[in-house]
Amino acid sequence: NAGVTQTPKFQVLKTGQSMTLQCAQDMNHEYMSWYRQDPGMGLRLIHYSVGAGITDQGEVPNGYNVSRSTTEDFPLRLLSAAPSQTSVYFCASRGAGTGGEEQYFGPGTRLTVT
Amino acid sequence: GNSVTQMEGPVTLSEEAFLTINCTYTATGYPSLFWYVQYPGEGLQLLLKATKADDKGSNKGFEATYRKETTSFHLEKGSVQVSDSAVYFCALSDLSQGGKLIFGQGTELSVKP
Repeated sequence: NAGVTQTPKFQVLKTGQSMTLQCAQDMNHEYMSWYRQDPGMGLRLIHYSVGAGITDQGEVPNGYNVSRSTTEDFPLRLLSAAPSQTSVYFCASRGAGTGGEEQYFGPGTRLTVT
Repeated sequence: GNSVTQMEGPVTLSEEAFLTINCTYTATGYPSLFWYVQYPGEGLQLLLKATKADDKGSNKGFEATYRKETTSFHLEKGSVQVSDSAVYFCALSDLSQGGKLIFGQGTELSVKP
C-alpha cells in the first residue's frame, strides 16, 4: 500500500513552459485534491475532485487544469508556467464521508519557475 | 467564508517545556477540526482531530479540545521533545463547503535540547 505518490519530486521550468504533476493513490479514495504551499500562507486549495469525472475549483485555480478519468489518478497541469507558480505542491486524498475523515498527503513536488 | 487563524511562529522552546499553539476558526456550518504536522522535507500527516463540539482529540501526548463557544482548537503538549520540532497546521473541514480542508498559515516549532 503506497498511499499517495507524486512525481516528480523536483522540477525547474522556464516561464511559459507547460508540465503535468502526477498524483496517484491506491486507497480507492473518492476525494482528491491539490494544494500549494507558500511561506507564511499555509496550504491553499487549487482544485479538487469528489470522484472520477468530477472536478471543481478551489481557492487559487488560475493557471492550473485538472482532470479525473480514474479513481486512482489526479494530474495537475500547468498551462504556461509563471514565476508566481514557484511553490511546493501537495496532492491529498480521503475517503467519502462527512468531512471528518483524515486526508492523506503525498510527499510533495517542489517547483521552481525561472 | 470559512477561515483559520493560528498564532505566528516561530516558537522556540526548551526540551520538556509546555507547548500551546493557538488556533481560532470562522465557519458557517459545523466543521470538523484538525491538527496536521509537517516534519522537515515531508508531506503533512494528521496529528489529531475532533468532529464535534467539546470533543478532545489526542495523539503522541498532544491534545486539543473543540470549543464552539470560543471557536477555538488550541494545541497543547505538557512536555515537548526535540523530535517534536516541525510545522503545525490547524485546519477545518466543512461539509457545507464540500468537505474541503481550510488551513491556517502554520506555526513552526523548534525544540532545543
